[in-house]
Parts: sequence; structure tokens; C-alpha cells
Amino acid sequence: DADVTQTPRNRITKTGKRIMLECSQTKGHDRMYWYRQDPGLGLRLIYYSFDVKDINKGEISDGYSVSRQAQAKFSLSLESAIPNQTALYFCATSDLSEQYFGPGTRLTVT
Amino acid sequence: GQQVMQIPQYQHVQEGEDFTTYCNSSTTLSNIQWYKQRPGGHPVFLIQLVKSGEVKKQKRLTFQFGEAKKNSSLHITATQTTDVGTYFCASEGFGNEKLTFGTGTRLTIIP
Repeated sequence: DADVTQTPRNRITKTGKRIMLECSQTKGHDRMYWYRQDPGLGLRLIYYSFDVKDINKGEISDGYSVSRQAQAKFSLSLESAIPNQTALYFCATSDLSEQYFGPGTRLTVT
Repeated sequence: GQQVMQIPQYQHVQEGEDFTTYCNSSTTLSNIQWYKQRPGGHPVFLIQLVKSGEVKKQKRLTFQFGEAKKNSSLHITATQTTDVGTYFCASEGFGNEKLTFGTGTRLTIIP
């Protein structure tokens, strides 16, 4: 089984809709992250959490919110989706070094 | 905020040729990590360098961390079709505790 899972894997939604992307990990790590990937822009950090009670904004947090429900679960919400949030979203977890990424969620906002 | 510049953005090589991607920072880095993302896949960790001037090898891949800890390179000798993908560097500045990723170098191989 995969160490980091993301649901859904693909999603098409309309402008203005609320959507939640979910992430679960079985690595037992405290640290979890949400990234967004756009062509030519690499991976940009949206939010990160170093433990259940810790939530931090990344470089592009506007328009997003997160919830750390448990050590193993970290969800990303778009309260009112807009077309420029169309992207590939990755969840990741780490101990103190390497990051383990989920398979990604491809989100399209029409 | 900390920025890590990565060049080139794209590289097309004939199979068997060598390939190099470079990462540069204006600030001193505590470490550098390298990741590979296959087409349609997710980033996968390759290696971490911590020491000034460090060089590590993984088969045909050679990773270097600059003496001033502001730059790094990944060199692939005699590329193969399995090397296709996007290579990212990533680093923490001192005390940041989170990674900043470079923009990636997309490698394509001409058979």
C-alpha cells in the first residue's frame, strides 16, 4: 500500500464551488505539506503543519485553508474555487529530511 | 523569501549523452535535496547533501554541493530512456525548516 494517499485523484468543479482535497499518510510522520504544481513554476508550498496543533501558511496560501484532523490526515480546502486554481496538487509528509509525496490530485476549475 | 534558481528549464539530449542541471541560491543553504518526477508521477527523493563541497554518486548520477553552500549540481553520465523526467532541487535555509523547490529541469531523451 502507498505511504501517502490523496483523494480524489481527479476533480472537475465549477467556479465558486467549495472543494476539499484529502491526504492520509501511514509513515507516522508529524510533518505534512500541501504543494501546488503548475507548468514552469515547480512546486509551491501552500500550507504546512509540523504537528496536529501547528498550521503554517506557505508562499501561496490565499484562497486556501487546511485542517489537520490527526497526525495522519491533512486536508486542503478551496472555499470558493476560481479558474486560476486549476493545477496539480501534491500532499507530502516528512520526518526531518526527505519528503514523501502522494500521487497528486489534478483539479480543474471551469 | 529564499529563492532557489534552477537551470536549464528544459534539456533535450541524445541517448548516451551526458546531462547536467544546476541550482543556485543568493543565500547560504543548510542542505540541498534532489528529487525526480517521472512524467505523470510524483516527486521522488533522490539524495540530500549537507556538507560544503560534498560529492555523492548514485550509479550514473553525481551530485555536488558547492563550497559556499549556495549552489548544487546533478550530473547524469550516458543518459538512458529511464532518466526521462523533471529533476528538482530543494533546500532549507537556516532555521526555515521547510523546503523551497527550484523550478525544475525537464529532461527528454532522443532515442
